[in-house]
Amino acid sequence: GAVVSQHPSWVICKSGTSVKIECRSLDFQATTMFWYRQFPKQSLMLMATSNEGSKATYEQGVEKDKFLINHASLTLSTLTVTSAHPEDSSFYICSASVGRDFHEQYFGPGTRLTVT
Amino acid sequence: GQNIDQPTEMTATEGAIVQINCTYQTSGFNGLFWYQQHAGEAPTFLSYNVLDGLEEKGRFSSFLSRSKGYSYLLLKELQMKDSASYLCAPMDSNYQLIWGAGTKLIIKP
Repeated sequence: GAVVSQHPSWVICKSGTSVKIECRSLDFQATTMFWYRQFPKQSLMLMATSNEGSKATYEQGVEKDKFLINHASLTLSTLTVTSAHPEDSSFYICSASVGRDFHEQYFGPGTRLTVT
Repeated sequence: GQNIDQPTEMTATEGAIVQINCTYQTSGFNGLFWYQQHAGEAPTFLSYNVLDGLEEKGRFSSFLSRSKGYSYLLLKELQMKDSASYLCAPMDSNYQLIWGAGTKLIIKP
């Protein structure tokens, strides 16, 4: 149980275009979903936290207008990288949590974005 | 501020035992997680400690001392597939995981 999927698993796009990444909890309803970015050999960096039906809470330094997050349901969240640039190339990982007292996060497999 | 301190890299031999230490400072505390991350993949959950003491789960055990801000992950009977990064992630008062860069564990035959 507690499986999280991401789509696509990898994507290559041209500079200036937008890319949408989907994150789905397959067998549970996620109270909260998280979006992370990870550069090679660096730690996970939390970008934003989202709860279903409400606006995402972005971490300091993350541009809200560039990284659009939509949490349409308890099983789906999307991250859209708008007007992508080569420096946005990274490994994007989503996670979902359940319950109120045990906040384990279940991670999706990640999406590798390359902007050319 | 919030801080995680783990060794950057460790090397161990197949079949042996290795202990990965983690010290942390957080604003409040709601437990500590250990995750395993293979290169190019997302993290996978290993353990969660919220009370002091040792939690054993198969070949992996995790220990927590809240007063010392200290945890360790103990891996026994090491296998080649255990080569990965191990991430210590305490959870702060806002239930947010605090991530360090992790410890890269290299297993040699």
